[in-house]
Amino acid sequence: DTGVSQDPRHKITKRGQNVTFRCDPISEHNRLYWYRQTLGQGPEFLTYFQNEAQLEKSRLLSDRFSAERPKGSFSTLEIQRTEQGDSAMYLCASSPYRNTEAFFGQGTRLTVV
Amino acid sequence: ELKVEQNPLFLSMQEGKNYTIYCNYSTTSDRLYWYRQDPGKSLESLFVLLSNGAVKQEGRLMASLDTKARLSTLHITAAVHDLSATYFCAVPYSGGGADGLTFGKGTHLIIQP
Repeated sequence: DTGVSQDPRHKITKRGQNVTFRCDPISEHNRLYWYRQTLGQGPEFLTYFQNEAQLEKSRLLSDRFSAERPKGSFSTLEIQRTEQGDSAMYLCASSPYRNTEAFFGQGTRLTVV
Repeated sequence: ELKVEQNPLFLSMQEGKNYTIYCNYSTTSDRLYWYRQDPGKSLESLFVLLSNGAVKQEGRLMASLDTKARLSTLHITAAVHDLSATYFCAVPYSGGGADGLTFGKGTHLIIQP
């Protein structure tokens, strides 16, 4: 396995458009996380899945954001009606079980113009 | 609300010198993680500290955890240029049984010849 894979790597969109990102975790990792990172800041936790169940959501995850992990494998993060403030790097991570480190993907850089 | 504070946020040091990065967090947690991020890249796990008094070493880096003081340190010994990066500490989101991480703002480390 080559690690956590995210697609696309870069996305430029106009304000008001919807975007969807995909994350493929490391095989057999049942825990999957989404984070957002802006320039000069640490990643901010957005949401967490264990298998297909979404178990945690940050208050940062407004109603415009939705995440799914339909079969407990890959996950998607959708942002509706994008705003300029959504411009950031969106990072996905996975881990095999609790108390282990999470392995991060390369991220999707979103620019809203 | 969990707060994770790192200091310093910026550090320029010479090769061969020793230095320590500090990470304080505001609520009880028995776990702490250190990550490294190179410019434009994703996060790489360095250490997972799972108990009070935990100490881990990898090469020129050594991390420790004092859960009573809510403090972790990352010590750099005889720094080399390749260690130039941004270093993040992270604590579980809710400080308890939750799994998402709250990151510090990062320490941007530059090591000069």
